[in-house]
Amino acid sequence: DAKTTQPTSMDCAEGRAANLPCNHSTISGNEYVYWYRQIHSQGPQYIIHGLKNNETNEMASLIITEDRKSSTLILPHATLRDTAVYYCIVRYMKTSYDKVIFGPGTSLSVIP
Amino acid sequence: DAMVIQNPRYQVTQFGKPVTLSCSQTLNHNVMYWYQQKSSQAPKLLFHYYDKDFNNEADTPDNFQSRRPNTSFCFLDIRSPGLGDAAMYLCATSARLRANVLTFGAGSRLTVL
Repeated sequence: DAKTTQPTSMDCAEGRAANLPCNHSTISGNEYVYWYRQIHSQGPQYIIHGLKNNETNEMASLIITEDRKSSTLILPHATLRDTAVYYCIVRYMKTSYDKVIFGPGTSLSVIP
Repeated sequence: DAMVIQNPRYQVTQFGKPVTLSCSQTLNHNVMYWYQQKSSQAPKLLFHYYDKDFNNEADTPDNFQSRRPNTSFCFLDIRSPGLGDAAMYLCATSARLRANVLTFGAGSRLTVL
């Protein structure tokens, strides 16, 4: 599975868009990009995933570059409750089970 | 709401005294996972069950065991906890057709005295 690189930490002003980058330059054609987040003292939470088209749901938007070597998770109007560690994971789509391995992630601090 | 429930949320044990953590799910998911998360680190996969098939990670210590008596329940047994086993233990589930989308419980925080 492709390795991902994320900044260690980021700050974002409350109410502004939070743009979290992820590099996955060795991604293969069939690998998806998944995002999870973990609020302090809680279990990780699935956010969104995509293959090559941009995706949007009620939580966030995922923008994947045309060459698929990087992606950006966008929280359009960050709130204090979005302060969390965000994990970018690249995996093949599985239909049985998958060993989701978490890297260090990006610690996002939303500042009032 | 369908969810993953872990008990207890907080567990204090003494060095060497066995402890069992439980996980239950109402999602009817095929797969259940146990992760260990130490302070300021990412979650680390210990093992998982695909239905009744148990799959251990190569670097999971023998001190950690698991049981899945039925689809809904899974247990993590730590036979002789050491100080290094103090951590948050996270249970997660996934469905066969969305195997990469995990639903996590809130975790059980283990303290070893």
